[in-house]
Amino acid sequence: DGGITQSPKYLFRKEGQNVTLSCEQNLNHDAMYWYRQDPGQGLRLIYYSQIVNDFQKGDIAEGYSVSREKKESFPLTVTSAQKNPTAFYLCASSMEGGTEAFFGQGTRLTVV
Amino acid sequence: AQSVTQPDIHITVSEGASLELRCNYSYGATPYLFWYVQSPGQGLQLLLKYFSGDTLVQGIKGFEAEFKRSQSSFNLRKPSVHWSDAAEYFCAVSGYSSASKIIFGSGTRLSIRP
Repeated sequence: DGGITQSPKYLFRKEGQNVTLSCEQNLNHDAMYWYRQDPGQGLRLIYYSQIVNDFQKGDIAEGYSVSREKKESFPLTVTSAQKNPTAFYLCASSMEGGTEAFFGQGTRLTVV
Repeated sequence: AQSVTQPDIHITVSEGASLELRCNYSYGATPYLFWYVQSPGQGLQLLLKYFSGDTLVQGIKGFEAEFKRSQSSFNLRKPSVHWSDAAEYFCAVSGYSSASKIIFGSGTRLSIRP
């Protein structure tokens, strides 16, 4: 089945540790996105990538980093510089930038 | 700047009643418009999309939306809601360029009264 896989579903980390969230797609999509979701704030764009080896900052990129070494994969690292990392993180992909996005099931990160 | 406004944070309707969720957008060019639905703790599912052509678009689960360029709106409607429609609904906008990003509104939570 084609789709987007995010892992793990739940993640716990201690404050000050970096953590990497996985996102893999087998839809052969060029574009991939990372969003952060907090209650009452909708989805805010962290980073997006329209092609392998290229990515752009979204609205809230500070404290996050990404890589796009393969078309299928777009991992997100939440660094210790992110002041409030506890949130629900959603990965998405689309055939090309701007077209309809398909979403993974999300990763809930809790930093204690 | 690109933006999406969903003015209603939470709406409650009775089962069987009609529904309209509001969405206004700001975009400098011709937009792509989307409505997504999210169940608690899950990812988002596309309900419908507007790219061009007929301004009334039909989606899954009996939903429809109407694009009104003059009002910069893309409201979502359903003639008769079911208890299973209770969820969070997001409106989103993007552009025709392959360099476009998708911007989401803050969402409207829909509750269904039995």
